[in-house]
Amino acid sequence: GQQVMQIPQYQHVQEGEDFTTYCNSSTTLSNIQWYKQRPGGHPVFLIQLVKSGEVKKQKRLTFQFGEAKKNSSLHITATQTTDVGTYFCAGPLGFNKFYFGSGTKLNVKP
Amino acid sequence: GAVVSQHPSRVICKSGTSVKIECRSLDFQATTMFWYRQFPKQSLMLMATSNEGSKATYEQGVEKDKFLINHASLTLSTLTVTSAHPEDSSFYICSAVRGLGTEAFFGQGTRLTVV
Repeated sequence: GQQVMQIPQYQHVQEGEDFTTYCNSSTTLSNIQWYKQRPGGHPVFLIQLVKSGEVKKQKRLTFQFGEAKKNSSLHITATQTTDVGTYFCAGPLGFNKFYFGSGTKLNVKP
Repeated sequence: GAVVSQHPSRVICKSGTSVKIECRSLDFQATTMFWYRQFPKQSLMLMATSNEGSKATYEQGVEKDKFLINHASLTLSTLTVTSAHPEDSSFYICSAVRGLGTEAFFGQGTRLTVV
């Protein structure tokens, strides 16, 4: 079965506050990907992390890959209403298969 | 990014009938396509992995005779929900990748309602 877990399930923040979602795998991942799904939309690729301990930034978004390559996090600094959506991590488990975490739904109050 | 087109976006069908959903990669050749199912407020559950020219690999608990997958070319995969029942109502979404470990490009999804 799928073994990528993500917390929290929901997060409500005030605009300007920070937000973090965590992803944990029971097995070592060769890489991890992050996707954002807006309400009513389809998942859109954000980033891929490959190296142990890797940190990547995209403007206000900071992505980290754990040293053991079993966990990852996405941190958003100073959230905006445009950040609303569900954030999924996805790990390849097996030959080119992707399993998605349960997702974290972010709601930002203006 | 690359474009994946999924059709139809919405379909309503009667119980017992079959529905075909198409997934096309428009500007690249997809070595592998994936089919997911998403229930309201839940994550994407991988149903099957589709490789061009070979049989699809189904996840545990997914009925291969009910969810027929055909990957006829490097740009087209189809999912047919056979003898649909109301419990098959869901959001089905495909994704395609160019190669091993690369980012997945998603179709727009198909909202299936079985009445």
